[in-house]
Amino acid sequence: GNSVTQMEGPVTLSEEAFLTINCTYTATGYPSLFWYVQYPGEGLQLLLKATKADDKGSNKGFEATYRKETTSFHLEKGSVQVSDSAVYFCARSSASKIIFGSGTRLSIRP
Amino acid sequence: DVKVTQSSRYLVKRTGEKVFLECVQDMDHENMFWYRQDPGLGLRLIYFSYDVKMKEKGDIPEGYSVSREKKERFSLILESASTNQTSMYLCASSKRETGNTEAFFGQGTRLTVV
Repeated sequence: GNSVTQMEGPVTLSEEAFLTINCTYTATGYPSLFWYVQYPGEGLQLLLKATKADDKGSNKGFEATYRKETTSFHLEKGSVQVSDSAVYFCARSSASKIIFGSGTRLSIRP
Repeated sequence: DVKVTQSSRYLVKRTGEKVFLECVQDMDHENMFWYRQDPGLGLRLIYFSYDVKMKEKGDIPEGYSVSREKKERFSLILESASTNQTSMYLCASSKRETGNTEAFFGQGTRLTVV
């Protein structure tokens, strides 16, 4: 089927730690892939995206690479900050719709 | 600044009431969506619309209906609210083009049904 699976949270890290949040997808064809972020009390906003294999999306120090061979789109950041505390959603396109993973809550300790 | 605006941040309704959640976007987007967000379940699509007066069921349409009379406005209707519809509701919009469909979200409406 068409789905998105991401690692369960919550994830708690210390400031300046390295972050990886895993995401894999199933799909027919080659969907666009997204990471959305939801800060406390807000709606979702797009963090980064990649539209074809081997593309790397990046924004605010976060990166994710579209890996067709492993059907993955893992989110990484080299040095997290307290302000990165939020819920992160991996997502894929499906025609005109977007299918979301279940979300990963990230908490960063000062 | 592009915007998707939901009419309420918080709502409390009684079981059996008819509830209207309103969403307006100012980006001239063709597609509009209603999701509900529950802990551990992520975002689940209730309904979406790809044009005025057009609607398609999402993954969990039961107990809901929608209305799209104007391009900029997409309403979610709970015909008879129940406690299991207590949730965060998120509206989104996107352009029609497929394959690269970035969505823009409203701030959400937290609905409590008592």
